[in-house]
Amino acid sequence: NAGVTQTPKFQVLKTGQSMTLQCAQDMNHEYMSWYRQDPGMGLRLIHYSVGAGITDQGEVPNGYNVSRSTTEDFPLRLLSAAPSQTSVYFCASSYSPGSSYEQYFGPGTRLTVT
Amino acid sequence: AQKITQTQPGMFVQEKEAVTLDCTYDTSDPSYGLFWYKQPSSGEMIFLIYQGSYDQQNATEGRYSLNFQKARKSANLVISASQLGDSAMYFCAMREPDSGYSTLTFGKGTMLLVSP
Repeated sequence: NAGVTQTPKFQVLKTGQSMTLQCAQDMNHEYMSWYRQDPGMGLRLIHYSVGAGITDQGEVPNGYNVSRSTTEDFPLRLLSAAPSQTSVYFCASSYSPGSSYEQYFGPGTRLTVT
Repeated sequence: AQKITQTQPGMFVQEKEAVTLDCTYDTSDPSYGLFWYKQPSSGEMIFLIYQGSYDQQNATEGRYSLNFQKARKSANLVISASQLGDSAMYFCAMREPDSGYSTLTFGKGTMLLVSP
């Protein structure tokens, strides 16, 4: 199993550009989520999905879109990048909620918006 | 939403000593789960240990143990016999009921530095 994969690993964007951060998992997990990590802030939830076709907003959703057409993939779209979106982005998946099953994290994407 | 507080921005410990990383939480949910993750300088998130609110005993995983004090709402991570490889950022996290428990709420983290 590859686990949770994210592409790209690094990305530099200019203000106003759009892009999609890719996330895929091969563990047949129903639950997937996106977090951003900023210095001194811990990880904050952007969007999450409890299954194909079902998504919802987290703590910091503004400026991001998601969709979940398959169990395996959960892309994160930046519609018009802003310097405030400079961050490290983590995708995570888990087998089951409300249990001891931990969230499996991807390696992260480091995004810089200039 | 729940809240996780990690009051120690940084901790220093000598190799082979034990260290305790503090975590307090705030929730009105009687059923909850607490996690600790390690993030080394390479950036990946590594799951360390889990404690359920109804677990009778403190969780242990090798050199990691969780000092769970339910009445105080604290879930401190204890690392015994620290090693140089333990130098990393450590995050305490809790299952979030607002997302049907499918996501985590994180604290801001504690940076641990282990010296020889």
